[in-house]
Amino acid sequence: DTGVSQDPRHKITKRGQNVTFRCDPISEHNRLYWYRQTLGQGPEFLTYFQNEAQLEKSRLLSDRFSAERPKGSFSTLEIQRTEQGDSAMYLCASSRDHQPQHFGDGTRLSIL
Amino acid sequence: AQTVTQSQPEMSVQEAETVTLSCTYDTSESDYYLFWYKQPPSRQMILVIRQEAYKQQNATENRFSVNFQKAAKSFSLKISDSQLGDAAMYFCAYREYGNKLVFGAGTILRVKS
Repeated sequence: DTGVSQDPRHKITKRGQNVTFRCDPISEHNRLYWYRQTLGQGPEFLTYFQNEAQLEKSRLLSDRFSAERPKGSFSTLEIQRTEQGDSAMYLCASSRDHQPQHFGDGTRLSIL
Repeated sequence: AQTVTQSQPEMSVQEAETVTLSCTYDTSESDYYLFWYKQPPSRQMILVIRQEAYKQQNATENRFSVNFQKAAKSFSLKISDSQLGDAAMYFCAYREYGNKLVFGAGTILRVKS
């Protein structure tokens, strides 16, 4: 069990640029979740996958956000045309069915 | 929509003493799970303890225990024999069967030596 891995750990970009984050879940975990956490707040749900199927999307996930999980393994979260308000920590978590979720270290996004 | 409220932004405890962190939630469901997660500064979120709503018995994990009051929709965390390593942000979270987590705003716990 190597844990949930997220890459990169930090991303600094200019407003208007596109960014992509990657999450590698714990092997054999069929569920994968993305959350967003702003400073001093609890994480907020963005979306989740069961295997390769995206089963739920939050209204927080505007049309500038897209997530994929090809082949039910790793997942990517892309943000297009980044805005100042996108600055946050993006957390990935995985679980086996309804077992407790295990979190990665997160990707901190800073928009200049 | 389900909501989770942590009314204590910050708490302090002396090393070796006991502290209780409060959490209330709102739901119309009868079957759900509750969790406490710990997030040390710049580190990974770690599961501390979980409670299944259909279980009457309060969950315990070593020095950590909960007081689950289903009718009152209350789920507090008690940390006994506090250690310096317990210092972190603590999040209370609610989950319906198989779905997303809904988190509270968190409580910063400071441990004094």
